[in-house]
Amino acid sequence: KNQVEQSPQSLIILEGKNCTLQCNYTVSPFSNLRWYKQDTGRGPVSLTIMTFSENTKSNGRYTATLDADTKQSSLHITASQLSDSASYICVVSGVGDSSYKLIFGSGTRLLVRP
Amino acid sequence: DAGITQSPRHKVTETGTPVTLRCHQTENHRYMYWYRQDPGHGLRLIHYSYGVKDTDKGEVSDGYSVSRSKTEDFLLTLESATSSQTSVYFCAISKLAGGDEQYFGPGTRLTVT
Repeated sequence: KNQVEQSPQSLIILEGKNCTLQCNYTVSPFSNLRWYKQDTGRGPVSLTIMTFSENTKSNGRYTATLDADTKQSSLHITASQLSDSASYICVVSGVGDSSYKLIFGSGTRLLVRP
Repeated sequence: DAGITQSPRHKVTETGTPVTLRCHQTENHRYMYWYRQDPGHGLRLIHYSYGVKDTDKGEVSDGYSVSRSKTEDFLLTLESATSSQTSVYFCAISKLAGGDEQYFGPGTRLTVT
């Protein structure tokens, strides 16, 4: 069964610190992997999209990595800010008939404290 | 929210009543999607549309129907709402097929009592 597992479920860090969120998936065949940020009460907003041939992609203080062999991805947040408090969702897109259907993780809820 | 609006933003309704949620886009994107988001679950696809009058089921389509009579509007209908349909509903759009970037609306919080 195609699945996307994220860890930890929740995380609290102090402002200015770095953190890393994890995503493991079993989706196959695989097209791309995305990370979304979802603020409370808002829709998800894309941070990065990586195809199977990409190992890393950055968007400002957000850096995503992908290991297609082990089916793992991580999202690293550098020098966290209070505005980084949100849920971070890993999403994997399959290929072919499944390409219309994205598989969403349940998210990691990040709280950045002053 | 990338030119996507959803209405209503909040709704409380009683079990057994029909409910229609509307998604409107100004991006002229071909593909539109309805998802629901529940605690402990990732977003799950209800229905999607790949063009005017062209729709297909997602993984949790039971109890829901959709219609798309214009490129810009995608309606989600709960024919007879049940408490299990209490959720936050998100509309999304994309220019190309599901592997393309999807842009999400602000969501509709539906409570069925």
